[in-house]
Amino acid sequence: DAGITQSPRHKVTETGTPVTLRCHQTENHRYMYWYRQDPGHGLRLIHYSYGVKDTDKGEVSDGYSVSRSKTEDFLLTLESATSSQTSVYFCAISRDQETQYFGPGTRLLVL
Amino acid sequence: DAKTTQPPSMDCAEGRAANLPCNHSTISGNEYVYWYRQIHSQGPQYIIHGLKNNETNEMASLIITEDRKSSTLILPHATLRDTAVYYCIVRVGYSGNTPLVFGKGTRLSVIA
Repeated sequence: DAGITQSPRHKVTETGTPVTLRCHQTENHRYMYWYRQDPGHGLRLIHYSYGVKDTDKGEVSDGYSVSRSKTEDFLLTLESATSSQTSVYFCAISRDQETQYFGPGTRLLVL
Repeated sequence: DAKTTQPPSMDCAEGRAANLPCNHSTISGNEYVYWYRQIHSQGPQYIIHGLKNNETNEMASLIITEDRKSSTLILPHATLRDTAVYYCIVRVGYSGNTPLVFGKGTRLSVIA
């Protein structure tokens, strides 16, 4: 299995608070991705990174920001959490854009 | 919108081959066929991918028809741990900003 960890694995927070999720890899892969998974929608891309400090938006980026200051870490921040952001968040990595490997996921509940 | 069509569910007896079909009649010449699976509450797991030739790895075989409009994922000796949702995805291979589009997939139940 690819060396990907996500933290925290579970989080409960209140509406309006900022939340940061962390994805950490030990594979030195260049590309990193954040997805969310919701019933009826499958996985949807939030943001991705194609290198340190290089990021771009996915299809559901509103309300989210990301940062990548070093190769191994990709942070996802919910600037002001809303109940619609209750979801399971998956990080993925890719060496060459061809195949993506996923982390174990973070379950976020926004009350 | 997903570019693939898969049956919603299938059963397979433990130890038998599981053959999961996928239709992708609008596939383009530069698009690959990828297969992932997701075991309950876990992250999606990459299985295999191919362009037009049949592919095999330690997990599965991928058979792509000559016209590339359909494919079959074969798990040669299914075990209970293969119970999962299997996703067939069509995507341009080397394209970092093209997300993996997961449809509804096929829920495979391996039965003892």
